[in-house]
Amino acid sequence: NAGVMQNPRHLVRRRGQEARLRCSPMKGHSHVYWYRQLPEEGLKFMVYLQKENIIDESGMPKERFSAEFPKEGPSILRIQQVVRGDSAAYFCASSPVEGNNEKLFFGSGTQLSVL
Amino acid sequence: RKEVEQDPGPFNVPEGATVAFNCTYSNSASQSFFWYRQDCRKEPKLLMSVYSSGNEDGRFTAQLNRASQYISLLIRDSKLSDSATYLCVVNDGSARQLTFGSGTQLTVLP
Repeated sequence: NAGVMQNPRHLVRRRGQEARLRCSPMKGHSHVYWYRQLPEEGLKFMVYLQKENIIDESGMPKERFSAEFPKEGPSILRIQQVVRGDSAAYFCASSPVEGNNEKLFFGSGTQLSVL
Repeated sequence: RKEVEQDPGPFNVPEGATVAFNCTYSNSASQSFFWYRQDCRKEPKLLMSVYSSGNEDGRFTAQLNRASQYISLLIRDSKLSDSATYLCVVNDGSARQLTFGSGTQLTVLP
């Protein structure tokens, strides 16, 4: 049973470009969380999604950031017009049960570097 | 004040030593508490949950003091493989996200 799969592992973008980060949850998991980790800081919650629904996006910046989890395919975190401050590790986690944070399984993350 | 605060570290200890990490949280309504381990910017992995009665898993002991809003992790007989960043994590029960501390870096020296 494959774990949470994130790709790409590393992503380099120039300022103003778009970044798309993908996350495939573990088989059977329908709840996806996105976290961001800036250098020397802890993980910060961004958004919680179920299939075709955004449940909680209280941690998402109001502009340039969006997330989706379609009925088919992976969850996508999209960052438009990237800036240097977006450089961070972005982790996705999945859970089989709503609100059961004890059973979060994290992907290996995507390291975004903005030049 | 940060929602979850940890010892800044880094902690450099010899093999076999006992080391303790502390963590405080600001939300008195917090319901669930965890210690995660993160290696070299890889994904965090759940180390153990923390219960009010205290719990032990091999060389690791976690304690929770709700009155003081304080969580601890004790590692006995440190191994080289224990070198990592330890993250204190809190869930307030009403939200669906975990709140992570900034982590404490541990290096176990031969």
